[in-house]
Amino acid sequence: EAQVTQNPRYLITVTGKKLTVTCSQNMNHEYMSWYRQDPGLGLRQIYYSMNVEATDKGDVPEGYKVSRKEKRNFPLILESPSPNQTSLYFCASSPRGASHEQYFGPGTRLTVT
Amino acid sequence: DQQVKQNSPSLSVQEGRISILNCDYTNSMFDYFLWYKKYPAEGPTFLISISSIKDKNEDGRFTVFLNKSAKHLSLHIVPSQPGDSAVYFCAARALFAGGTSYGKLTFGQGTILTVHP
Repeated sequence: EAQVTQNPRYLITVTGKKLTVTCSQNMNHEYMSWYRQDPGLGLRQIYYSMNVEATDKGDVPEGYKVSRKEKRNFPLILESPSPNQTSLYFCASSPRGASHEQYFGPGTRLTVT
Repeated sequence: DQQVKQNSPSLSVQEGRISILNCDYTNSMFDYFLWYKKYPAEGPTFLISISSIKDKNEDGRFTVFLNKSAKHLSLHIVPSQPGDSAVYFCAARALFAGGTSYGKLTFGQGTILTVHP
């Protein structure tokens, strides 16, 4: 089944404790992206990757890192999480860029205390 | 600076009637627009898109209209069905000088559509 998977689905952590949210897609898509969803703000793009070893900033990249060492995986790294990074995070992939249909993962609910 | 705005947080419509969801944008460099639908506890799913060289795109019950001079797009759902009840996001892609930003996507805040039986 074609899908985007994210792990973990739920995470409660404390300020400053490094964490990684994994994202994997099995559709051989070139493009992958991370978003966060917050009430009243909609979805905001954090980082995106046009292909392996090609990543770029979205609208809200501060406090996040990503890597794209292989096509299927696009992990989101929070080196020192803070409470303002409490949010619902979505990973997405698409065959070619942001103008094409993106397939979203189920989301990761992160709480930083 | 919200470059894509959905000014109506919610919309309530009777089954069988038309739903019109609106979206305004400020960046004249946006060249592609998309609509996504989101159910609770799920990721968004793609609905329909339109290039800035067109003013209308239709797919079944869904039609997107683009008015570039007004920097406004709308999604029409006809007829509306209870299963259409969801949050709808519009999104826009900017084409920057040099054409290097095909990956950047800006979303609006979303509109909650409720279709009553």
